[in-house]
Amino acid sequence: KAGVTQTPRYLIKTRGQQVTLSCSPISGHRSVSWYQQTPGQGLQFLFEYFSETQRNKGNFPGRFSGRQFSNSRSEMNVSTLELGDSALYLCASSRDPGQGTYEQYFGPGTRLTVT
Amino acid sequence: QKEVEQDPGPLSVPEGAIVSLNCTYSNSAFQYFMWYRQYSRKGPELLMYTYSSGNKEDGRFTAQVDKSSKYISLFIRDSQPSDSATYLCAMTKGSNYKLTFGKGTLLTVNP
Repeated sequence: KAGVTQTPRYLIKTRGQQVTLSCSPISGHRSVSWYQQTPGQGLQFLFEYFSETQRNKGNFPGRFSGRQFSNSRSEMNVSTLELGDSALYLCASSRDPGQGTYEQYFGPGTRLTVT
Repeated sequence: QKEVEQDPGPLSVPEGAIVSLNCTYSNSAFQYFMWYRQYSRKGPELLMYTYSSGNKEDGRFTAQVDKSSKYISLFIRDSQPSDSATYLCAMTKGSNYKLTFGKGTLLTVNP
């Protein structure tokens, strides 16, 4: 079974620009979560989507947004990029929450550098 | 106080050693506990998943959860150079999919 895929793997942007990252979950997984990983703060939860609806949101500014499509694929968008947004952005997928399991499987990440 | 505390190391051990990695947490609502392994410039890989207190063994890996002490551990037996990575503990309340992570412990196993 294919794992979580993320595109692009690397991205360099300039301050003030916007960026869109894409995530395809494991086949059959319906929940997609996004995390930001930095050396200083570690892994921090951004938001989680299930059935095209955002169910949970972390403590990030409104410049960070996301969406999920009917095939469970997800995108996240960061507008008006700041230098501090440079990080590894990780997507994780999970099975139907009704099955009572909370295991999350991560993709390889998108490394974003803001200059 | 952070919700999850994890000693960042670095931890350096000889091949074949038993490795003990630990996390403490402050929120008693956490019920599901995970350990991830992350190689440099890769995404985290799920190693162990446990619910509530107790032990779980998988090959050379054993995960322990002590909810009364708010303390979780990961033991690696017969450690190998390929185990060299950052180990992250993570936990969730179970009401949603938000994982709260420790900062990670960098482990090096020397041949």
